[in-house]
Amino acid sequence: DAGVIQSPRHEVTEMGQEVTLRCKPISGHDYLFWYRQTMMRGLELLIYFNNNVPIDDSGMPEDRFSAKMPNASFSTLKIQPSEPRDSAVYFCASSQGTSGGYNNEQFFGPGTRLTVL
Amino acid sequence: SQKIEQNSEALNIQEGKTATLTCNYTNYSPAYLQWYRQDPGRGPVFLLLIRENEKEKRKERLKVTFDTTLKQSLFHITASQPADSATYLCALDDTGGFKTIFGAGTRLFVKA
Repeated sequence: DAGVIQSPRHEVTEMGQEVTLRCKPISGHDYLFWYRQTMMRGLELLIYFNNNVPIDDSGMPEDRFSAKMPNASFSTLKIQPSEPRDSAVYFCASSQGTSGGYNNEQFFGPGTRLTVL
Repeated sequence: SQKIEQNSEALNIQEGKTATLTCNYTNYSPAYLQWYRQDPGRGPVFLLLIRENEKEKRKERLKVTFDTTLKQSLFHITASQPADSATYLCALDDTGGFKTIFGAGTRLFVKA
């Protein structure tokens, strides 16, 4: 398996523009997570899905952020309109849940470095 | 308030020595705790998971302890090598489910 795939790897945009980040999880994984990482705040969970259904979006900073998972092999994180404070590295991760309820290891993608000017 | 604290300062050690990293948490009751490694420009990579009913777990040169009374986990790398230089993140579950909260990480430098 190629691992978690994210695109684009780098995105530079101007304030006010719409940004769409994409993620392909590892086949067979039923959990998908979106994180944001900055120097100031570290790695923050934005939202996670189980079997394509959003379970917890309490980390989504504001209504400008939205995430979808139309099928088991694809998810998007959209920011509209983007602002300079959204500049960060956005990671997608996937994992395979266990019947015991414990989270298995998460496999992270390479991240998308977003710069909003 | 809920907090996860890791050594904010970088840890510098000599090759061959044991590196010990600390993760303390407040106002969480995690069912498990994980450790990840992150290299610059890359995503975190899973290393070890330890459950609340486990005191210690080992994997090759790595050892993790979990003390739910002290609310602390220690991460040890024995016989450290320059290739072990990276940032190490601890993570725990928030609600006993799949919401994972990460610490800020500790930067480790191993000198040859």
